[in-house]
Amino acid sequence: AQSVTQPDIHITVSEGASLELRCNYSYGATPYLFWYVQSPGQGLQLLLKYFSGDTLVQGIKGFEAEFKRSQSSFNLRKPSVHWSDAAEYFCALSGNTPLVFGKGTRLSVIA
Amino acid sequence: EAGVTQFPSHSVIEKGQTVTLRCDPISGHDNLYWYRRVMGKEIKFLLHFVKESKQDESGMPNNRFLAERTGGTYSTLKVQPAELEDSGVYFCASSQVAGGDTQYFGPGTRLTVL
Repeated sequence: AQSVTQPDIHITVSEGASLELRCNYSYGATPYLFWYVQSPGQGLQLLLKYFSGDTLVQGIKGFEAEFKRSQSSFNLRKPSVHWSDAAEYFCALSGNTPLVFGKGTRLSVIA
Repeated sequence: EAGVTQFPSHSVIEKGQTVTLRCDPISGHDNLYWYRRVMGKEIKFLLHFVKESKQDESGMPNNRFLAERTGGTYSTLKVQPAELEDSGVYFCASSQVAGGDTQYFGPGTRLTVL
């Protein structure tokens, strides 16, 4: 069965600090992996995606994610967080089926 | 290019009433998906259209939910009669191809059933 686990429900970081949001998946083959962000009052926006090839993926807004097959992980990182990054982040996978989402991680940014 | 749009943005109805949600996908996208997020839970798949045909409706919770995509353009999702547990945010997404292609999401419709 396909599943996505985001172990952290809520994370608080200081502005300017680095960020890593965790995502683990379960899938029988190499999945397509995505990170989406939902800012307050907004829809889901695609940050980045992994289909194949280079395991380090660059996305928008300075985010990157690294696919690690051995750990079944696809963690999202950003070297320096801005207050505008406060939002809810969703990791998702797709095989030959529609997207399967994690429960999301809410990011708070403090001054 | 316009993104995925959804109407209404919010809907508050009473139990037993009917509500119809609309989704306009990105022009040219044959694939249209409906998802739902109930409070505190993950976003879950409801169904998938390819043009006007239902490709996969395995996520539809019960027969109170009816989705249509006449002409393969916009889609509607009707809930009749609505129950309290139907409250949540309903997202629509579209993609050019299926099987892992990027899905572009609309802003969602927040449905509250009282």
